[in-house]
Amino acid sequence: AQSVTQPDIHITVSEGASLELRCNYSYGATPYLFWYVQSPGQGLQLLLKYFSGDTLVQGIKGFEAEFKRSQSSFNLRKPSVHWSDAAEYFCAVDSYNNNDMRFGAGTRLTVKP
Amino acid sequence: GAVVSQHPSWVICKSGTSVKIECRSLDFQATTMFWYRQFPKQSLMLMATSNEGSKATYEQGVEKDKFLINHASLTLSTLTVTSAHPEDSSFYICSARDAGKEDGGYTFGSGTRLTVV
Repeated sequence: AQSVTQPDIHITVSEGASLELRCNYSYGATPYLFWYVQSPGQGLQLLLKYFSGDTLVQGIKGFEAEFKRSQSSFNLRKPSVHWSDAAEYFCAVDSYNNNDMRFGAGTRLTVKP
Repeated sequence: GAVVSQHPSWVICKSGTSVKIECRSLDFQATTMFWYRQFPKQSLMLMATSNEGSKATYEQGVEKDKFLINHASLTLSTLTVTSAHPEDSSFYICSARDAGKEDGGYTFGSGTRLTVV
């Protein structure tokens, strides 16, 4: 079965600074990869997803992620963080045909003014 | 875009009672719906996967007699927490998959905060 690791439980960055959230996955075939954001007490909002094609994926709110098969990674990046980006971020992997999406433990992002 | 409505958004119930949570896909047909549980400051744990018209598939360790899932139509799935106890207090989130979309088409509900007192 597939699994996801988010090594960083909590990250703090200054507003305007760049951001990179790490995600590593384990899956035997080409995975379907997702990044979601969750504000406190809310559901999940999809930031971006990768299925095939260009390994650099653009998402909403200025986020992007790069799929690196050799490193089994799908790191999320943003060049300049805004205070409103403070939230919990989840990486997820799915084996499409198996309807089996699994989430990482999440990374909590704090933005300093 | 695709919208999933989850109700109620929060509920408080007495220990021993049952609570039903609804998950509706508003503008698409969801052949598969998923139920997750999330403890504070933790990730989402898949509880069960339900396909319309068939029995739900529960993850290991999830009590199917306690967490009853019904997926009677292509737009509605319900999770009933039976004989709830304080340890069932959690945040429950559903998601629905639009099988007509090639890109997986997962859409999440806004979650239900269950507190059992």
